[in-house]
Amino acid sequence: DQQVKQNSPSLSVQEGRISILNCDYTNSMFDYFLWYKKYPAEGPTFLISISSIKDKNEDGRFTVFLNKSAKHLSLHIVPSQPGDSAVYFCAASATSGSRLTFGEGTQLTVNP
Amino acid sequence: DAGVIQSPRHEVTEMGQEVTLRCKPISGHNSLFWYRQTMMRGLELLIYFNNNVPIDDSGMPEDRFSAKMPNASFSTLKIQPSEPRDSAVYFCASSYPQGPQYFGPGTRLLVL
Repeated sequence: DQQVKQNSPSLSVQEGRISILNCDYTNSMFDYFLWYKKYPAEGPTFLISISSIKDKNEDGRFTVFLNKSAKHLSLHIVPSQPGDSAVYFCAASATSGSRLTFGEGTQLTVNP
Repeated sequence: DAGVIQSPRHEVTEMGQEVTLRCKPISGHNSLFWYRQTMMRGLELLIYFNNNVPIDDSGMPEDRFSAKMPNASFSTLKIQPSEPRDSAVYFCASSYPQGPQYFGPGTRLLVL
């Protein structure tokens, strides 16, 4: 039972344009959501998080949107840079600080 | 600042041998998590500790796996005896209460 799903295994965008990565979840108990970026041979790096009391959180070029009724969240990267090329994981937990359930990941490629 | 430290970074062993993976969390973090990443199952939680106490070990695959946290700055994940299907990347992560998890670089384990 995949409780967190990232339906796009890959995404390719042009440098300077917007990257939009999507994530869906099924467990209505999830109330804390995170995005991680992962380069090969490294651990996941925390990017940005959002709690269910908000619908948007912004940090520099990264914005996460949460639609609780649709059980959907997205990560927007504007403008995209070649260094953003990595695998992006969506993760969720029932409370912050507890176990995370990860999606399968989306490989983002930003072309110069 | 030192991040999460894991050792060894790579381990190659033969089936039946004991394997011990080590983790030093970020100083001050009171939660520690062990994850495993495989192609088939993605990133999955094995066990996590709060204040050195195991809270949820439901992800530990079987009795061959055990984890300890003798103090706030050290944890081990042991596999005895190891099997080829245990080959994976094992990540340790730590967090403050209700904060995002920060991951170590991982240990790449190959069991022949």
